[in-house]
Amino acid sequence: AQSVSQHNHHVILSEAASLELGCNYSYGGTVNLFWYVQYPGQHLQLLLKYFSGDPLVKGIKGFEAEFIKSKFSFNLRKPSVQWSDTAEYFCAVRAGSARQLTFGSGTQLTVLP
Amino acid sequence: ETGVTQSPTHLIKTRGQQVTLRCSSQSGHNTVSWYQQALGQGPQFIFQYYREEENGRGNFPPRFSGLQFPNYSSELNVNALELDDSALYLCASSQEGGYGYTFGSGTRLTVV
Repeated sequence: AQSVSQHNHHVILSEAASLELGCNYSYGGTVNLFWYVQYPGQHLQLLLKYFSGDPLVKGIKGFEAEFIKSKFSFNLRKPSVQWSDTAEYFCAVRAGSARQLTFGSGTQLTVLP
Repeated sequence: ETGVTQSPTHLIKTRGQQVTLRCSSQSGHNTVSWYQQALGQGPQFIFQYYREEENGRGNFPPRFSGLQFPNYSSELNVNALELDDSALYLCASSQEGGYGYTFGSGTRLTVV
């Protein structure tokens, strides 16, 4: 069965710092990849997704992610974080013909003003 | 367009009881999935419904069951509640064959 690893459980940054959150998955076939954000008390919101084509994907709110197939990775990046980016971030994979998303355990990002 | 709505938002039940959670899918979506998110964890897939039939299931026991109605809304039923069932239950709707999933805000279930 496929799995998703997010190695950073809690990241603390100051405003304007650059962000990179790691995501690795275990599945050798075709994958669809997603990053979701969950603000306190709110529902999961899609930041960006990768299905095929250009491995560098741009999403909302200045976020981007790069799919590196050889490393089974889909890391999330943002050049300059804001206090409002404080939230929990989840990486998710849809593997092959699977119907479900498999989520990582999440990374809590705290941005200090 | 309307999003995914779930009810109730919070619920407290006693161990051994049964619970029903409800979900209205986003307009135009015909597939509903349910996820369980325990505290400090990512969402775990419970099952998915399409055309009123279960067409995918995660590693959850049979006491977790569901329904989908002709208007694509859905229910999640959990029998014989256990303390470990305490979690946030998320509903997500999508279009079969599509790639977008819209999540609801969830129902927070506490089993005491």
